[in-house]
Order: sequence, then structure tokens, then C-alpha cells
Amino acid sequence: AQSVSQHNHHVILSEAASLELGCNYSYGGTVNLFWYVQYPGQHLQLLLKYFSGDPLVKGIKGFEAEFIKSKFSFNLRKPSVQWSDTAEYFCAGRKGSQGNLIFGKGTKLSVKP
Amino acid sequence: NAGVTQTPKFQVLKTGQSMTLQCAQDMNHEYMSWYRQDPGMGLRLIHYSVGAGITDQGEVPNGYNVSRSTTEDFPLRLLSAAPSQTSVYFCASKETGTGGTEAFFGQGTRLTVV
Repeated sequence: AQSVSQHNHHVILSEAASLELGCNYSYGGTVNLFWYVQYPGQHLQLLLKYFSGDPLVKGIKGFEAEFIKSKFSFNLRKPSVQWSDTAEYFCAGRKGSQGNLIFGKGTKLSVKP
Repeated sequence: NAGVTQTPKFQVLKTGQSMTLQCAQDMNHEYMSWYRQDPGMGLRLIHYSVGAGITDQGEVPNGYNVSRSTTEDFPLRLLSAAPSQTSVYFCASKETGTGGTEAFFGQGTRLTVV
């Protein structure tokens, strides 16, 4: 079965620390991959997406992710986090462009001021 | 730009009651879906539809019904609510086609079953 795994349940960082959140997907072939963010009490917002081409994808708010096909990974990174980045982050993927979107279980990020 | 609109935003039900969560999109998207979000579980697909008149089950369909009579609307029905259905429900829509496209999510409906 297709699955998306996120390695960390809860990450706690101080402001200005660097962030890397892990994400692995289980299926081969063409994949579409996404990172969403959910601020407390709010709905999902798209941070970035990968469909094809350059494996280094830049998103909003200074986030980026790298698609590494050989490792089935799509890790999210940010060089310097801010208190306002406190949120829950979801990795999601689908097989090809038409499959259903499958989500990881999410990683809560807490940034201490 | 309304996007994906869900109503209501909050709802409290008693066990055994029925209700319909509404979802409407104004982007002429063929694909629509319903997810539920539970702590530590991420979002899990309940039902989805690839066009008017076509629906299919996702990962956790039990206890839920859907129909798709128009492109715009995709209501989710709980026939007999149970406490296990306490969750936050998100509706999403996206274009279909050969290229990759992103899904657009509604604001969510927070449902409590007591």
C-alpha cells in the first residue's frame, strides 16, 4: 500500500535554529509530493510542491524541500526558524498526477522565542 | 475567490443523530475529496469523487456516505453519528488532467459527537 512517513512527531527548536523535517514515501514511478502547514486552529496551507524537474523546490516563508528519488525522500528544510513557524507540518504524496493524496501523520514544530 | 467552502465550521451532535457536512467549490474542479484529521493520525481519506455521479471509498469510509450530483457540491453524510467520528473534517478539490496539480482545502468542520 502507498504510504507517507514522517520521522518526527514533535520537534522543539529555538529561534534561528535550522530545521529539517523528514518525509519518506513508499511508491516508485512518477510521484507528486507536497508539504502543507497548519497553524493552530487553521486549515492547511500549501508550503511547496514537487511535480517534476529541479529536485530542489523552494516554497513560501523561506522553506525548501529536496526530492531524492534514490532515497524516496522529500525532506523539508529552513535555515533559520522563527517563533511564527510554530505549527504542524504535513508531508503528502500521490502516485502520478491523478492518484489520491496520502498524508503523513504530521510533525508538530514548536519554536521557542 | 471563494475557493472551497465548508459549512458548518463547528457542530456538536448527539450519538445517533444524522447530519450533512457541506462542501462547495467554485473552481470547476472535477476531483473532490473528504478527509478527517485526528491527533497523531494526519489526514485520512474518507471518500472521493472524480466527477459528477462518480464516487469511491477512501481509507476510512465506514459510517459516511457521499454523493456528487453537481460538479460544485460534495456533501458528506453521517447517518448515525458515533463518538469515534469526533474529528476535524476537511474537503478538498483539484483539477484533473495530465499535469500535476495541487489540492485546495476548505477551512474545516470541527465535529464533536457526545
